[in-house]
Amino acid sequence: SQQGEEDPQALSIQEGENATMNCSYKTSINNLQWYRQNSGRGLVHLILIRSNEREKHSGRLRVTLDTSKKSSSLLITASRAADTASYFCATDAEETSGSRLTFGEGTQLTVNP
Amino acid sequence: NAGVMQNPRHLVRRRGQEARLRCSPMKGHSHVYWYRQLPEEGLKFMVYLQKENIIDESGMPKERFSAEFPKEGPSILRIQQVVRGDSAAYFCASSRKQGAGGQPQHFGDGTRLSIL
Repeated sequence: SQQGEEDPQALSIQEGENATMNCSYKTSINNLQWYRQNSGRGLVHLILIRSNEREKHSGRLRVTLDTSKKSSSLLITASRAADTASYFCATDAEETSGSRLTFGEGTQLTVNP
Repeated sequence: NAGVMQNPRHLVRRRGQEARLRCSPMKGHSHVYWYRQLPEEGLKFMVYLQKENIIDESGMPKERFSAEFPKEGPSILRIQQVVRGDSAAYFCASSRKQGAGGQPQHFGDGTRLSIL
């Protein structure tokens, strides 16, 4: 499997519920980033978590990082219909530090009103 | 608009023609990255540039593709003699100088290239 693999591929929830998306990766990283992409648009940066951090919050977003398991999770609390989008994790590997991000295939989140 | 600007948003070319995609990074950003996205897939890295220098082009096909980021003006991704398989969305991102722990990359809205 590729670096930065998201799980699940698709998630459908009701407004107000929480959404959890997971990401696994393979190599040692400097940081891991989460992005959102609305249909037909570019990626919007949500949050960056560095390899020496375990948890980070930004508004309704909570990201965790477990470097021993090479995994991360993105939690969106109290979801809204406007949160409907594809969510990607991307890793900045130590080996290629700063030169590229490696993206997973994404989780398509649908929040039903 | 202080974000990453890409143009055109949509580009249609016939097989064998050339495609030129432009990217103006965010103000204050000296690092530019190009990625390609096929439908229903994640982004794949192509090339990383700083002003007047290609730093890493390991993700870019060796033939027909080239990129530049001149001292003045936008970064250009150039595809010569396009083929149907080049149809994709091409995204540009920019960042500040990469420091310890890394910097986020900020993306444009992409150029959707269609080859007839």
